[in-house]
This record gives sequence, C-alpha cells and structure tokens, in this order.
Amino acid sequence: GENVEQHPSTLSVQEGDSAVIKCTYSDSASNYFPWYKQELGKGPQLIIDIRSNVGEKKDQRIAVTLNKTAKHFSLHITETQPEDSAVYFCAALYSSASKIIFGSGTRLSIRP
Amino acid sequence: NAGVTQTPKFQVLKTGQSMTLQCAQDMNHNSMYWYRQDPGMGLRLIYYSASEGTTDKGEVPNGYNVSRLNKREFSLRLESAAPSQTSVYFCASSGNGAAGETQYFGPGTRLLVL
Repeated sequence: GENVEQHPSTLSVQEGDSAVIKCTYSDSASNYFPWYKQELGKGPQLIIDIRSNVGEKKDQRIAVTLNKTAKHFSLHITETQPEDSAVYFCAALYSSASKIIFGSGTRLSIRP
Repeated sequence: NAGVTQTPKFQVLKTGQSMTLQCAQDMNHNSMYWYRQDPGMGLRLIYYSASEGTTDKGEVPNGYNVSRLNKREFSLRLESAAPSQTSVYFCASSGNGAAGETQYFGPGTRLLVL
C-alpha cells in the first residue's frame, strides 16, 4: 500500500556538523518528493522538494538526493545551526490518487 | 496576506460533543486539505477538496465530515467526538491541485477529547 518510512525518529548533532534524514517510499510511480520543516507550535513549511527527473537538488545548506531505483531519498543539512532544530517530514506524491503521503517525522536537535 | 488561518487554536471537548473546525485561505487556491497529526505518525489526510464544490476522503475519514463553503473556506466537523480524535489538526491549501504543488499549512488546532 501507500507508505513512506522515515528514519531516524530523533537526531541530535553538534552545531556545525551535518545531519542526514532518510526516507523510503513504496509507489514506484511517485515523482514528487517534498520536505517540510515544522517548528514548535507551528504548521509544517516546505523547505525543499525534488522531482524524479533529477537526482539531487541544493539550496544553500540544504540538499536532497533521490535514488529512484532503490526508492529512497534523503535530506542533508550541512553546517547545522540552532535554528535548524525542528521536526522534519519527508513526503511522496502518490500519483494514483494525487495525494501526498507523509513520513512519521524526525525531531532534529542541534547541540551548542 | 494572512495565508491559511484556523480557528480555534485550542479546544477541549467531552466525549459525544460536536464541534466544527474552521479554515480559510486568502491565496485564491483551488485545493484545500485537512490533516491530523499524532505523535510518531506524521500527518495523515482526513479529507480534501480539489476544487470548490468537491470533497473526497483521505486516509482517515471516519468520524469526520467536511464542507467546502466557498473557494476560501473549508470546515471540518466532528459530529460525536471520541477520545481517539484527540490530535492536532492542520488545514492546508495548494494552487490548483496539480501533482507536485506546494501545500501551505495553517498554524493548527489542538483538540483534546475527554
């Protein structure tokens, strides 16, 4: 069925280090993979997305990679800063129903 | 431009009570969505409306009803609240519902059912 698995559920990194969050999806027809950041007490906000016609996309300190063969994609945050502390959700568009399915989230904490 | 707004921010209900969660967007978006967020389970789609006048079930529609009142407003109704409906509810909207569009989320409504 439609499923997006996300790991790890919690992640703590030293300020300045890199953080990586990984997701896998089940629908081989999925072609759109957004990442959302949710700060405490707020709604999720899109930070980056990738479509299936590219393998990598970067935006300043954030990058996303996609491996369609293995059906997994990852979020990479470099030079982490305190403001990166939040919950991050990956998602995949299931084209059969035009619905976005979210992963279970990763709580990222940046240690000073 | 307020984006997506939700009311109320917080609500406590007793089992069996009813209530309506309100959502409005000022971005002239065609599509609107209701999600619930539970610990460890991410965001799950309850109902969505691809355009004014249409609504469709998502992953977890049981116990809920929706109304797309006009292009701006999309309400979620709990007819007889149950403790299992304790959650944080998010409304979202997107441009025209095309595949791969950014969804914009509201600040959420925190609901506690006793």
